[in-house]
Amino acid sequence: DTGVSQDPRHKITKRGQNVTFRCDPISEHNRLYWYRQTLGQGPEFLTYFQNEAQLEKSRLLSDRFSAERPKGSFSTLEIQRTEQGDSAMYLCASSLLTEGYTFGSGTRLTVV
Amino acid sequence: GEDVEQSLFLSVREGDSSVINCTYTDSSSTYLYWYKQEPGAGLQLLTYIFSNMDMKQDQRLTVLLNKKDKHLSLRIADTQTGDSAIYFCAEGTSPKAGTALIFGKGTTLSVSS
Repeated sequence: DTGVSQDPRHKITKRGQNVTFRCDPISEHNRLYWYRQTLGQGPEFLTYFQNEAQLEKSRLLSDRFSAERPKGSFSTLEIQRTEQGDSAMYLCASSLLTEGYTFGSGTRLTVV
Repeated sequence: GEDVEQSLFLSVREGDSSVINCTYTDSSSTYLYWYKQEPGAGLQLLTYIFSNMDMKQDQRLTVLLNKKDKHLSLRIADTQTGDSAIYFCAEGTSPKAGTALIFGKGTTLSVSS
């Protein structure tokens, strides 16, 4: 296991389309986080799972966003009816109970 | 609300020491982190410090924490060109709580040879 894997690395979509991103955490990590990073900013928290339970959601996560982690392993983040303001790097991270996060390389979304 | 502030840019010469500063507002933060981000890559955890510590050293990295002033610094000794990146300070409560980290906007470190 080489770390947190995110797919795709880049996604260009037209405004109004739906997109889905996938994150595969480090296999023994029970926590999984989604963050969003826009240009010139630090990452902003979106949501987090412990195993398959979604325990916290940021107010940034509008009703167009949905995240799942059905079996407590990989996670998906879906954005419906994308807007230009959704253009950002979407970062996934995972962790064990008592350690800092390991981040993936992110999915860069461009909405045109 | 919670906030983390960092200076945006730092430029040093190869071989010099770099000091990146950060201030935070949440007095309940118990863990403070430094992450490194290279172009097009995710964030790499460099080090973290518990709030009951004043200093932590890890090879070329030294973290200093002033809890009274809510000030955190990262010193990189003998800075190399490979250290050029964006460095993020982040605060959080215990990892056991699993809550979100609050990140600063990042400090871009430029190392010239």
